[in-house]
Amino acid sequence: EADIYQTPRYLVIGTGKKITLECSQTMGHDKMYWYQQDPGMELHLIHYSYGVNSTEKGDLSSESTVSRIRTEHFPLTLESARPSHTSQYLCASSGGVATGETQYFGPGTRLLVL
Amino acid sequence: AQSVTQPDIHITVSEGASLELRCNYSYGATPYLFWYVQSPGQGLQLLLKYFSGDTLVQGIKGFEAEFKRSQSSFNLRKPSVHWSDAAEYFCAVGAAGGSYIPTFGRGTSLIVHP
Repeated sequence: EADIYQTPRYLVIGTGKKITLECSQTMGHDKMYWYQQDPGMELHLIHYSYGVNSTEKGDLSSESTVSRIRTEHFPLTLESARPSHTSQYLCASSGGVATGETQYFGPGTRLLVL
Repeated sequence: AQSVTQPDIHITVSEGASLELRCNYSYGATPYLFWYVQSPGQGLQLLLKYFSGDTLVQGIKGFEAEFKRSQSSFNLRKPSVHWSDAAEYFCAVGAAGGSYIPTFGRGTSLIVHP
């Protein structure tokens, strides 16, 4: 059983607010990812990290930022939430080749911006 | 660049019937191929994966998939579907190495009739 956690699970917030979506994993994985998922669409990669102090933007343009100060923690921050940010956000981690490139996903955060 | 196509948005089957979900990929070399399942309100869970070797791969929950290089396909099968298999199924393709970033398909929604 994978141990990757996301909080909050659901969030309703007003436009302009700053929010941070938390993601933590206890597997010691170096690689971590944030995806945005909308119904009937592909998972879109918005950020990823290969280790501490490593962060990269994914293929989907995003106004969010991430940090990786500790191996187990990969929070995503929106400085000013907008209705267009309404979506589900999935965090994942991977041990790379050591785990056969398998990604382990958290349960997701469903965000609604009013 | 790699890409994945899942041509069926929805599939409806009767409980006990067989199932095949289609996945076609585009990638220049031998890919890593994955099938993930997502139940409502949950993150994605790995069903099975193919790296090399035997082209028929067995997974959890009675699923299997066959890699066909000539057809660039990695279709998922199950001989007898259970009502609990109703979920969203995602195919993913990637390449090995430090820069591994998987690409996901749009998903196929499986509906199971009693």
